[in-house]
Amino acid sequence: DGGITQSPKYLFRKEGQNVTLSCEQNLNHDAMYWYRQDPGQGLRLIYYSQIVNDFQKGDIAEGYSVSREKKESFPLTVTSAQKNPTAFYLCASSIAGVGNTGELFFGEGSRLTVL
Amino acid sequence: GQNIDQPTEMTATEGAIVQINCTYQTSGFNGLFWYQQHAGEAPTFLSYNVLDGLEEKGRFSSFLSRSKGYSYLLLKELQMKDSASYLCAVIQLSGAGSYQLTFGKGTKLSVIP
Repeated sequence: DGGITQSPKYLFRKEGQNVTLSCEQNLNHDAMYWYRQDPGQGLRLIYYSQIVNDFQKGDIAEGYSVSREKKESFPLTVTSAQKNPTAFYLCASSIAGVGNTGELFFGEGSRLTVL
Repeated sequence: GQNIDQPTEMTATEGAIVQINCTYQTSGFNGLFWYQQHAGEAPTFLSYNVLDGLEEKGRFSSFLSRSKGYSYLLLKELQMKDSASYLCAVIQLSGAGSYQLTFGKGTKLSVIP
């Protein structure tokens, strides 16, 4: 079945360590996104990518990095520079860019806890 | 910038009707989504409005008034499984000339027997 797969679902990290969250989609979607969700907060956009080898910063990109070497994959690295990384991370994709009324399809999320 | 406002929490009775409001202030508006999110799970798509009026889909309906910067999600014949957070999200034109989808903080709906 088509969909978006995020891994790992739960991840624990020590302070000062980088960690990479995986996001893979087999929907043949052009656009992919990373959001962060904190309790009582809406989803906040970290990075997005409209096409392969191109990506743009969202509202809270500091302390994060991404790559888009393949259409299917959009991994997110949470670096040690991110001051408050404990959160629920959601990856999403859409057929085309958001402006083309692309409905977002979400992965199941990755919950990162920094110890 | 933009502002999206939704009530933080609502409670309604099983079998009843509930209306969740969303107001927004934005430039370059290009549509509004409603998503449902159960605790600890991914959001799932409910509706999309780009023109004024009411879109009906089974027990759920969504309304948009662009001139008022206002939308609501109407849930009829409430069921216990409707207990979830409901997220309003607006497509707007960013300063960089591309579209972005920005979410409100969500409304946590509790359905009680």
